[in-house]
Amino acid sequence: DGGITQSPKYLFRKEGQNVTLSCEQNLNHDAMYWYRQDPGQGLRLIYYSQIVNDFQKGDIAEGYSVSREKKESFPLTVTSAQKNPTAFYLCASSIAAYNSPLHFGNGTRLTVT
Amino acid sequence: GESVGLHLPTLSVQEGDNSIINCAYSNSASDYFIWYKQESGKGPQFIIDIRSNMDKRQGQRVTVLLNKTVKHLSLQIAATQPGDSAVYFCAERSRDDKIIFGKGTRLHILP
Repeated sequence: DGGITQSPKYLFRKEGQNVTLSCEQNLNHDAMYWYRQDPGQGLRLIYYSQIVNDFQKGDIAEGYSVSREKKESFPLTVTSAQKNPTAFYLCASSIAAYNSPLHFGNGTRLTVT
Repeated sequence: GESVGLHLPTLSVQEGDNSIINCAYSNSASDYFIWYKQESGKGPQFIIDIRSNMDKRQGQRVTVLLNKTVKHLSLQIAATQPGDSAVYFCAERSRDDKIIFGKGTRLHILP
């Protein structure tokens, strides 16, 4: 069964700690994305990667970092520099074509106190 | 569940009626459009897409209409069911791979 797996579903951290969110896909997609979703707002792009070992900053990359060492995996680290890290984080993937949809995982809800 | 639907416009529809959800897109260069459904606590689920060389596309119980002149997209759901209750949002994608997501509309089904 192909899809995108995000883990964990819920994550709790203390302020000042870095935390890494996992995203794995078995759809053989080249492109992967990280979005942040806050109540009442559209999805905001954090980072994206169109090929292994390469990634680009999105609109709100400050305080986040990513890696893309394998095609299947695109982990996101929320660092202590992120001023407002509590949010719902969504990972997505797509084939490398503009006229194809993004497929999303079921998200990770991060709460930082 | 995830509170992503807070402060969103809400459409209330009687069970069995048709629902029409609208979206105004912003980028004139957008060439491809997608509708997503998002249930509480879950990620967005692909419903239907349409390319800019079309003005209508039908799926199972859903139809998407595209009016490029006024940059408007709509999603029609026939015979709305309780399971259709969710937040629906549109997305636009351009050839230079700029992707913009709408904020969404909450669809509420009345019994």
